[in-house]
Amino acid sequence: ETGVTQTPRHLVMGMTNKKSLKCEQHLGHNAMYWYKQSAKKPLELMFVYNFKEQTENNSVPSRFSPECPNSSHLFLHLHTLQPEDSALYLCASSPQSRGAFFGQGTRLTVV
Amino acid sequence: QKEVEQDPGPLSVPEGAIVSLNCTYSNSAFQYFMWYRQYSRKGPELLMYTYSSGNKEDGRFTAQVDKSSKYISLFIRDSQPSDSATYLCAMSQGNAGGTSYGKLTFGQGTILTVHP
Repeated sequence: ETGVTQTPRHLVMGMTNKKSLKCEQHLGHNAMYWYKQSAKKPLELMFVYNFKEQTENNSVPSRFSPECPNSSHLFLHLHTLQPEDSALYLCASSPQSRGAFFGQGTRLTVV
Repeated sequence: QKEVEQDPGPLSVPEGAIVSLNCTYSNSAFQYFMWYRQYSRKGPELLMYTYSSGNKEDGRFTAQVDKSSKYISLFIRDSQPSDSATYLCAMSQGNAGGTSYGKLTFGQGTILTVHP
């Protein structure tokens, strides 16, 4: 248990579906992040939230839509994805030091 | 040129060996340096966190940072089969507000196998 919980752990969706990924952190951190991990590529930062406000969108396509209702919860809403969006999506939170703490990730497959 | 370069391996060593993992980087603004361990089908786990140049030791793990050469290393002593995982280096600028510490730039990861 890392203190950052992601659900679901696995998700298979069609290109016309709409689904959401959920992240919850119990560490009291104010900053939360979405990262994408694709095969043979480094982890890529997607979105940054600080005190519920989005502070960064790293040129992510609009078919990915984040939501942060409070400092403990983060969602990633997915719609009309492409097969190349299949990846491990990781949520992380961070205090004002000591790096980021990651959840176990959601393994997404787009068919 | 990638901001962070890491040899993806794979690296295979016998149990008890000393393992050396390395990353180079190009952005001189990076001040905070981390090593993560990622087991198969799991999220990355923070192993070591260092600020600026120098060494940091935690049990069998030693992290070294040489900012003048833009080079960081992780040494694992007395390696165990349970150390078999992907090791990711990561770094951040760590300034300009509270979110910057978690805005990480990662290397590609090195796959390590320690065989009995």
